[in-house]
Amino acid sequence: ETGVTQSPTHLIKTRGQQVTLRCSSQSGHNTVSWYQQALGQGPQFIFQYYREEENGRGNFPPRFSGLQFPNYSSELNVNALELDDSALYLCASRVGNSPLHFGNGTRLTVT
Amino acid sequence: AQKVTQAQTEISVVEKEDVTLDCVYETRDTTYYLFWYKQPPSGELVFLIRRNSFDEQNEISGRYSWNFQKSTSSFNFTITASQVVDSAVYFCALRGGSSNTGKLIFGQGTTLQVKP
Repeated sequence: ETGVTQSPTHLIKTRGQQVTLRCSSQSGHNTVSWYQQALGQGPQFIFQYYREEENGRGNFPPRFSGLQFPNYSSELNVNALELDDSALYLCASRVGNSPLHFGNGTRLTVT
Repeated sequence: AQKVTQAQTEISVVEKEDVTLDCVYETRDTTYYLFWYKQPPSGELVFLIRRNSFDEQNEISGRYSWNFQKSTSSFNFTITASQVVDSAVYFCALRGGSSNTGKLIFGQGTTLQVKP
């Protein structure tokens, strides 16, 4: 059984740029969530996708957007990057009421 | 409002000591789920346990045990005979029953260092 995989592992961007992070959900999992984890903090919920539709969103501005594809893989897009966007971005997947299973994350640094 | 508080920021113990990680939560939902995750330096959050609000039975899994008490809104995690491999950041999390998004509310985390 393949777990949740994320790419890239690390990324360095400049303020104002745009970034796309990718996630392949665990086999059989049709629900994908994204979390932002700032250094020394707990993860914060960004949004969730189910059957290619966003069905929940945390307190993040519209420049954070996402997609889920028919194979349940997902993308997180962030436009107009700010220094405070520097964080570990975690993707998680589940099916039904199962617990979330997380990937290793993408560490984004904005300079 | 929903909130999870892990008052212990860092804990350091010597191998083979027992250690308890505290978690206190707030929610108005009558149905909810509580979780513990482990985050090693690699960054991945590893699922350890889930309890629902109707099941206050304590659970033991090997060296790990969990004490859920609704009366004090606590869900504490004990590691018995700690090992160096237990060193990690541990997160307690809450999912409200009224949430259909599966959104988890995480605490700030407790960094556990187990010294040889």
